[in-house]
Amino acid sequence: AQTVTQSQPEMSVQEAETVTLSCTYDTSENNYYLFWYKQPPSRQMILVIRQEAYKQQNATENRFSVNFQKAAKSFSLKISDSQLGDTAMYFCASAIRSNTGKLIFGQGTTLQVKP
Amino acid sequence: GAGVSQSPSNKVTEKGKDVELRCDPISGHTALYWYRQSLGQGLEFLIYFQGNSAPDKSGLPSDRFSAERTGGSVSTLTIQRTQQEDSAVYLCASSSAGVGANVLTFGAGSRLTVL
Repeated sequence: AQTVTQSQPEMSVQEAETVTLSCTYDTSENNYYLFWYKQPPSRQMILVIRQEAYKQQNATENRFSVNFQKAAKSFSLKISDSQLGDTAMYFCASAIRSNTGKLIFGQGTTLQVKP
Repeated sequence: GAGVSQSPSNKVTEKGKDVELRCDPISGHTALYWYRQSLGQGLEFLIYFQGNSAPDKSGLPSDRFSAERTGGSVSTLTIQRTQQEDSAVYLCASSSAGVGANVLTFGAGSRLTVL
């Protein structure tokens, strides 16, 4: 069975600063994917970034990057140059490679970017 | 359509009534997923449809929950004899077929409140 844990219910950061959201997971699978999703007040989940477990290189998407530590089963999200529009709830999720839409989500971290 | 469409956006019902929630996926997407998000919680997988294959119902919490997908497109999630603990946001997502990093596109969800 897979589990995903986010230990930070709430975080805040000043605009233009950098913030890191933590995520740990557990899985017995060898082939899996990890994701970070953003959920703004509109409720619509938006994919921020994804990582394939067999790739050692950390994924990067513009201001968003991950620190993937496979041995430690850790998958943190770093947001650089935080913007007001980054204010949202962030969810870490995992999925096995054969069905990457069947996601196991963490409890979420509410991020507030302050002006 | 351009995105995943869900209706109704909000539904208030009385305990014991039946409700139907509708999802219209992106045209051409063969995979369709339903998730449930209880207040302040992460998303919980409910059911998955892929083409003409038998659906994966492993996440349905009880036999009061059912879903169907007609013609490989529109899906309806039905909750019979609603209970207060069914109150949640029900999110639908769709993706293209194939093994690999299929990215889910989520709808904005249907918020169900059971009084």
